[in-house]
Amino acid sequence: DGGITQSPKYLFRKEGQNVTLSCEQNLNHDAMYWYRQDPGQGLRLIYYSQIVNDFQKGDIAEGYSVSREKKESFPLTVTSAQKNPTAFYLCASRDGQTRAYGYTFGSGTRLTVV
Amino acid sequence: KQEVTQIPAALSVPEGENLVLNCSFTDSAIYNLQWFRQDPGKGLTSLLLIQSSQREQTSGRLNASLDKSSGRSTLYIAASQPGDSATYLCAGWYNNNDMRFGAGTRLTVKP
Repeated sequence: DGGITQSPKYLFRKEGQNVTLSCEQNLNHDAMYWYRQDPGQGLRLIYYSQIVNDFQKGDIAEGYSVSREKKESFPLTVTSAQKNPTAFYLCASRDGQTRAYGYTFGSGTRLTVV
Repeated sequence: KQEVTQIPAALSVPEGENLVLNCSFTDSAIYNLQWFRQDPGKGLTSLLLIQSSQREQTSGRLNASLDKSSGRSTLYIAASQPGDSATYLCAGWYNNNDMRFGAGTRLTVKP
């Protein structure tokens, strides 16, 4: 079945560390997105990519970095510059050729600073 | 800046009741509106997508409507069941890559 796989499900980061969250999709979607979810708030866009080797900042990109070397993969690195990284991170993708099918989301990664 | 608001933040109903969840948005220049379900600690599952040229979509016991002129969307759940307990999120598409989410309504259906 086609879908989005996020790993790991849980991730713990020590102060000063960089950590990378994985997002892989086999839907052949062009566009991929990273969102952050905090309790009581709507999802906020961190970065998005419409094609390979291109990505754009979202509303809260500071302290994060991404790459898009393959169509299927869009990893997110949470750097030590991100002062409050504890949150639930969601990856999504969309068929870039049409708006008819909506966004598809992965199951998320919960990141905790220890 | 476009904003999406969902009221109430939480709702508890007895099993079998029909219910309506509300979503309002500040900018009528919306492409599509998408409703999602989120179970605790899980990702988002798409329920219904209403394109800007449509007024409603139906899937099983769910019906979603979109009124761009009033900046409102509603999700109607018929004959609610305990398995419907989850958080329901609405999101407005303002362009291909600008999707604005509400904070969600946490629904509890009591047996």
